[in-house]
Amino acid sequence: KAGVTQTPRYLIKTRGQQVTLSCSPISGHRSVSWYQQTPGQGLQFLFEYFSETQRNKGNFPGRFSGRQFSNSRSEMNVSTLELGDSALYLCASSAGEGYGYTFGSGTRLTVV
Amino acid sequence: GIQVEQSPPDLILQEGANSTLRCNFSDSVNNLQWFHQNPWGQLINLFYIPSGTKQNGRLSATTVATERYSLLYISSSQTTDSGVYFCAVYGNKLVFGAGTILRVKS
Repeated sequence: KAGVTQTPRYLIKTRGQQVTLSCSPISGHRSVSWYQQTPGQGLQFLFEYFSETQRNKGNFPGRFSGRQFSNSRSEMNVSTLELGDSALYLCASSAGEGYGYTFGSGTRLTVV
Repeated sequence: GIQVEQSPPDLILQEGANSTLRCNFSDSVNNLQWFHQNPWGQLINLFYIPSGTKQNGRLSATTVATERYSLLYISSSQTTDSGVYFCAVYGNKLVFGAGTILRVKS
């Protein structure tokens, strides 16, 4: 069974640009969630989707958005990038309540 | 929201030693997982353990949900065990502790 796939693995963007990250969950998993990891703030929850609906959202500005498609694949978008958005972005999928989360390898975003 | 505290923040072991990592959480949770983050950043699931005890090789974990803590035991540590260990709990979202940085010396 294929794991959680995140693309791209590495990304360098310029301040002010926007970026889209992709996450393909484990087959059959309908829940996808996103996390930001930085040295200063640790691992922080961004949002969670279940069957194309956003179920929960973390404390991030509106520049951070996401969506989930009917095949459960998810994308997150960050607009008007700031230097502080440089981070490792991790995606996880779950089969639902009572099951754990499996994480992808992450996308390392550098904003210059 | 739920608070998750991990201890110790740093741990240095000689190869072959045993260790215990602790995770305290502030409220009732539906899910608790232990992860190991590898040098490339991927979070590897070690245990899904909302309650009880589980073992997997040299690793075992115990969660006492009524007292709001979980323990991760690493026995006969190896250099490949080095890395960051995270505890994460789920109330209505997954909340991570700050992690324990483990260094195993040969």
